[in-house]
Amino acid sequence: QVQLVEFGGGVVQPGESLRLSCPASGFTFSNYGMHWVRQAPGKGLEWVAYIRYDATNKYYADSVRGRFTISRDGSKNTLYLQMNSLRVEDTAVYYCAKDFNTRYTSGYFDYWGQGTLVTVSS
Amino acid sequence: ETVMTQSPATLSVSPGERATLSCRASQSVSSNLAWYQQKPGQTPRLLIYGASTRATGIPARFSGSGSGTEFTLTISSLQSEDFAVYYCQQYNNWPPATFGQGTKVEIK
Repeated sequence: QVQLVEFGGGVVQPGESLRLSCPASGFTFSNYGMHWVRQAPGKGLEWVAYIRYDATNKYYADSVRGRFTISRDGSKNTLYLQMNSLRVEDTAVYYCAKDFNTRYTSGYFDYWGQGTLVTVSS
Repeated sequence: ETVMTQSPATLSVSPGERATLSCRASQSVSSNLAWYQQKPGQTPRLLIYGASTRATGIPARFSGSGSGTEFTLTISSLQSEDFAVYYCQQYNNWPPATFGQGTKVEIK
């Protein structure tokens, strides 16, 4: 079965960096685009970033563009999110999510990890 | 950016009753709309995509309708496990994919 497990969350100060990882199993990782979606405490869902199945395209939400970088390692079946210059407003549970379609993105998500909490606080 | 607006914010329903949730887009999203269910402390679950297609394993009591800017999620007979927060999400005008703010379905 599909499994996505996020790692790397924690408590950091504003301006610091953090790298999230999301090992994937149960499907052919190299065939699917992947996303990061976040949820601030008690709030709704916010799409953060997307990487195409072959890593040739990446998209970001305006709120994180220039500070966050999405990447993937096919040899490790792992998705990453490098988060730099963190702000208080980046505090959220970060989910990795699998795109529904093979290869070409659908833009919606059929499997989600359990999430990892990132807290940015001074 | 396409803004998604859900109503009501909270819906109080008795078990066995019908629940109707609404989602409106600030511009047409065609039929490129998904619905997710999120229970407290759990990860979101895909219910509906393409505005009306149930995802794998989703019971038939969940149905979606609409196109363009107006969408509805109907739960025909609420079960105890259906009390949760429901989000709509458009993927027509993306990036970015955008979500509604959610509708909480609570026990009346």
